[in-house]
Amino acid sequence: AQKITQTQPGMFVQEKEAVTLDCTYDTSDPSYGLFWYKQPSSGEMIFLIYQGSYDQQNATEGRYSLNFQKARKSANLVISASQLGDSAMYFCAMRERGNNRLAFGKGNQVVVIP
Amino acid sequence: GAGVSQSPSNKVTEKGKDVELRCDPISGHTALYWYRQSLGQGLEFLIYFQGNSAPDKSGLPSDRFSAERTGGSVSTLTIQRTQQEDSAVYLCASSHRDLIANYGYTFGSGTRLTVV
Repeated sequence: AQKITQTQPGMFVQEKEAVTLDCTYDTSDPSYGLFWYKQPSSGEMIFLIYQGSYDQQNATEGRYSLNFQKARKSANLVISASQLGDSAMYFCAMRERGNNRLAFGKGNQVVVIP
Repeated sequence: GAGVSQSPSNKVTEKGKDVELRCDPISGHTALYWYRQSLGQGLEFLIYFQGNSAPDKSGLPSDRFSAERTGGSVSTLTIQRTQQEDSAVYLCASSHRDLIANYGYTFGSGTRLTVV
Protein backbone atom coordinates (compact mmCIF):
# COMPACT_ATOMS: atom_id res chain seq x y z
CA ALA A 1 0.00 0.00 0.00
CA GLN A 2 1.19 3.47 -0.83
CA LYS A 3 2.47 5.16 2.30
CA ILE A 4 3.19 8.59 0.83
CA THR A 5 0.87 10.30 -1.63
CA GLN A 6 1.81 13.30 -3.73
CA THR A 7 -0.78 13.84 -6.43
CA GLN A 8 -0.40 17.41 -7.63
CA PRO A 9 0.43 17.85 -11.31
CA GLY A 10 3.39 19.96 -12.29
CA MET A 11 3.18 23.46 -10.85
CA PHE A 12 4.24 26.80 -12.21
CA VAL A 13 4.85 29.51 -9.67
CA GLN A 14 5.79 33.13 -10.13
CA GLU A 15 9.12 34.20 -8.71
CA LYS A 16 8.81 35.70 -5.20
CA GLU A 17 5.46 34.03 -4.58
CA ALA A 18 4.81 31.20 -2.14
CA VAL A 19 3.97 27.66 -3.19
CA THR A 20 2.48 24.79 -1.20
CA LEU A 21 3.25 21.18 -2.06
CA ASP A 22 0.81 18.58 -0.76
CA CYS A 23 1.80 15.36 0.95
CA THR A 24 -0.40 12.86 2.74
CA TYR A 25 0.85 9.76 4.46
CA ASP A 26 -0.46 6.54 5.87
CA THR A 27 0.83 4.87 9.00
CA SER A 28 -0.49 3.18 12.11
CA ASP A 29 2.76 3.80 13.96
CA PRO A 30 2.41 6.63 16.51
CA SER A 31 6.10 7.46 16.17
CA TYR A 32 7.36 8.51 12.77
CA GLY A 33 9.30 11.20 10.98
CA LEU A 34 8.50 13.13 7.84
CA PHE A 35 11.08 14.52 5.43
CA TRP A 36 11.12 16.68 2.34
CA TYR A 37 13.83 16.44 -0.31
CA LYS A 38 14.55 18.55 -3.38
CA GLN A 39 15.86 17.00 -6.59
CA PRO A 40 17.02 19.54 -9.19
CA SER A 41 17.66 18.54 -12.79
CA SER A 42 21.23 17.61 -11.88
CA GLY A 43 19.79 14.65 -10.00
CA GLU A 44 21.14 14.92 -6.48
CA MET A 45 18.69 14.63 -3.58
CA ILE A 46 18.92 17.53 -1.15
CA PHE A 47 17.47 17.25 2.34
CA LEU A 48 15.26 20.25 3.15
CA ILE A 49 13.28 19.78 6.35
CA TYR A 50 12.18 17.26 8.96
CA GLN A 51 9.08 16.95 11.16
CA GLY A 52 8.74 14.44 13.98
CA SER A 53 5.33 13.04 14.82
CA TYR A 54 5.59 14.25 18.41
CA ASP A 55 6.87 17.70 17.57
CA GLN A 56 4.52 20.35 18.86
CA GLN A 57 5.62 23.05 16.46
CA ASN A 58 5.67 23.04 12.69
CA ALA A 59 9.21 22.72 11.38
CA THR A 60 10.83 25.67 9.63
CA GLU A 61 14.15 25.99 7.81
CA GLY A 62 14.74 29.34 6.19
CA ARG A 63 12.22 29.72 3.37
CA TYR A 64 10.88 26.21 3.93
CA SER A 65 8.15 25.41 6.40
CA LEU A 66 6.15 22.29 6.97
CA ASN A 67 2.41 22.53 7.59
CA PHE A 68 1.93 19.45 9.75
CA GLN A 69 -1.66 18.39 10.33
CA LYS A 70 -1.39 15.15 12.26
CA ALA A 71 -5.09 14.30 12.42
CA ARG A 72 -5.34 14.66 8.64
CA LYS A 73 -2.02 12.85 8.13
CA SER A 74 -0.74 15.62 5.96
CA ALA A 75 2.68 17.26 5.84
CA ASN A 76 2.58 19.98 3.23
CA LEU A 77 5.74 21.86 2.31
CA VAL A 78 5.51 25.63 1.94
CA ILE A 79 8.23 27.45 0.03
CA SER A 80 8.05 31.18 0.57
CA ALA A 81 9.45 33.86 -1.75
CA SER A 82 10.18 31.41 -4.58
CA GLN A 83 13.44 31.75 -6.45
CA LEU A 84 14.40 30.49 -9.90
CA GLY A 85 16.71 27.98 -8.23
CA ASP A 86 13.72 26.37 -6.54
CA SER A 87 12.71 24.76 -9.83
CA ALA A 88 13.01 21.05 -9.10
CA MET A 89 11.19 17.87 -8.13
CA TYR A 90 10.20 17.75 -4.47
CA PHE A 91 9.79 14.47 -2.64
CA CYS A 92 8.00 13.81 0.62
CA ALA A 93 9.22 10.82 2.64
CA MET A 94 8.39 9.06 5.89
CA ARG A 95 10.28 6.88 8.31
CA GLU A 96 8.37 4.74 10.77
CA ARG A 97 9.79 3.75 14.15
CA GLY A 98 12.05 0.76 14.06
CA ASN A 99 12.42 1.01 10.31
CA ASN A 100 15.55 2.45 8.79
CA ARG A 101 14.20 2.92 5.31
CA LEU A 102 12.49 6.03 4.03
CA ALA A 103 9.29 5.58 2.02
CA PHE A 104 9.11 8.21 -0.73
CA GLY A 105 6.23 9.70 -2.64
CA LYS A 106 6.35 10.12 -6.42
CA GLY A 107 7.24 13.78 -6.18
CA ASN A 108 5.90 17.19 -7.18
CA GLN A 109 7.42 19.10 -10.09
CA VAL A 110 7.81 22.83 -9.49
CA VAL A 111 8.85 25.36 -12.12
CA VAL A 112 9.51 28.91 -11.00
CA ILE A 113 8.97 31.50 -13.70
CA PRO A 114 10.40 35.01 -13.69
CA GLY B 1 35.30 12.45 1.60
CA ALA B 2 33.12 15.49 1.85
CA GLY B 3 30.08 13.86 0.28
CA VAL B 4 28.72 10.52 -0.89
CA SER B 5 30.55 9.51 -4.03
CA GLN B 6 29.10 7.14 -6.62
CA SER B 7 30.73 5.66 -9.67
CA PRO B 8 30.30 5.44 -12.52
CA SER B 9 27.96 8.37 -13.02
CA ASN B 10 26.64 6.79 -16.20
CA LYS B 11 26.71 3.20 -17.38
CA VAL B 12 25.39 1.74 -20.60
CA THR B 13 25.41 -2.02 -20.76
CA GLU B 14 24.10 -4.74 -22.99
CA LYS B 15 21.23 -6.89 -21.84
CA GLY B 16 22.52 -9.98 -20.10
CA LYS B 17 25.79 -8.47 -18.89
CA ASP B 18 26.68 -7.97 -15.23
CA VAL B 19 27.28 -4.51 -13.78
CA GLU B 20 28.81 -3.22 -10.56
CA LEU B 21 27.88 0.11 -9.05
CA ARG B 22 30.04 1.63 -6.36
CA CYS B 23 29.23 3.88 -3.43
CA ASP B 24 31.73 5.59 -1.15
CA PRO B 25 29.83 7.05 1.83
CA ILE B 26 30.71 9.98 4.02
CA SER B 27 33.54 9.08 6.37
CA GLY B 28 32.17 7.98 9.73
CA HIS B 29 28.67 7.24 8.45
CA THR B 30 27.90 3.71 9.51
CA ALA B 31 24.53 3.46 7.81
CA LEU B 32 24.37 3.08 4.03
CA TYR B 33 21.33 2.74 1.77
CA TRP B 34 20.71 1.92 -1.86
CA TYR B 35 17.63 3.21 -3.68
CA ARG B 36 16.47 2.99 -7.26
CA GLN B 37 14.64 5.73 -9.15
CA SER B 38 12.95 4.79 -12.39
CA LEU B 39 11.94 7.49 -14.86
CA GLY B 40 9.24 9.75 -13.40
CA GLN B 41 8.97 7.71 -10.23
CA GLY B 42 9.84 8.16 -6.60
CA LEU B 43 12.64 6.34 -4.89
CA GLU B 44 12.38 2.59 -4.34
CA PHE B 45 14.29 1.18 -1.37
CA LEU B 46 16.69 -1.64 -2.17
CA ILE B 47 18.94 -2.41 0.80
CA TYR B 48 20.24 -0.99 4.07
CA PHE B 49 23.62 -1.61 5.66
CA GLN B 50 24.66 -0.96 9.22
CA GLY B 51 28.39 -1.39 9.23
CA ASN B 52 29.13 -4.40 7.05
CA SER B 53 25.92 -6.23 7.73
CA ALA B 54 22.65 -5.82 5.86
CA PRO B 55 19.79 -6.09 8.34
CA ASP B 56 17.29 -5.11 5.66
CA LYS B 57 17.67 -6.34 2.11
CA SER B 58 13.96 -6.78 1.55
CA GLY B 59 13.84 -4.26 -1.27
CA LEU B 60 16.12 -6.15 -3.66
CA PRO B 61 13.80 -6.95 -6.58
CA SER B 62 15.26 -10.32 -7.55
CA ASP B 63 18.15 -12.66 -6.88
CA ARG B 64 20.01 -10.98 -9.74
CA PHE B 65 20.62 -8.10 -7.36
CA SER B 66 23.18 -8.30 -4.58
CA ALA B 67 25.18 -5.84 -2.53
CA GLU B 68 28.08 -5.94 -0.18
CA ARG B 69 29.92 -3.53 2.02
CA THR B 70 33.46 -3.98 3.21
CA GLY B 71 35.38 -2.27 5.98
CA GLY B 72 32.24 -0.44 7.01
CA SER B 73 32.81 1.91 4.12
CA VAL B 74 32.55 1.31 0.36
CA SER B 75 29.57 -0.60 -0.94
CA THR B 76 29.07 -2.33 -4.27
CA LEU B 77 25.68 -3.09 -5.81
CA THR B 78 25.89 -5.86 -8.39
CA ILE B 79 23.24 -6.62 -10.96
CA GLN B 80 23.70 -9.88 -12.81
CA ARG B 81 22.27 -10.67 -16.23
CA THR B 82 20.88 -7.16 -16.61
CA GLN B 83 17.44 -6.66 -18.10
CA GLN B 84 15.97 -3.57 -19.73
CA GLU B 85 13.69 -3.01 -16.75
CA ASP B 86 16.82 -2.53 -14.63
CA SER B 87 17.40 0.79 -16.39
CA ALA B 88 17.12 3.47 -13.71
CA VAL B 89 19.15 5.84 -11.56
CA TYR B 90 20.68 4.02 -8.61
CA LEU B 91 21.14 6.29 -5.62
CA CYS B 92 23.26 5.64 -2.60
CA ALA B 93 22.88 7.48 0.70
CA SER B 94 24.60 7.41 4.04
CA SER B 95 23.82 8.64 7.52
CA HIS B 96 25.39 8.71 10.93
CA ARG B 97 24.42 5.57 12.83
CA ASP B 98 20.85 4.84 11.88
CA LEU B 99 18.58 7.46 10.40
CA ILE B 100 18.60 10.20 13.00
CA ALA B 101 15.96 12.87 13.05
CA ASN B 102 16.84 16.28 11.62
CA TYR B 103 19.56 14.90 9.37
CA GLY B 104 17.83 12.72 6.86
CA TYR B 105 20.25 10.97 4.57
CA THR B 106 23.02 12.46 2.49
CA PHE B 107 22.63 11.20 -1.05
CA GLY B 108 25.16 10.70 -3.78
CA SER B 109 24.55 11.96 -7.32
CA GLY B 110 23.58 8.51 -8.50
CA THR B 111 24.54 6.13 -11.27
CA ARG B 112 22.35 6.27 -14.35
CA LEU B 113 22.16 2.72 -15.70
CA THR B 114 20.89 2.10 -19.21
CA VAL B 115 20.44 -1.47 -20.41
CA VAL B 116 20.25 -1.76 -24.20
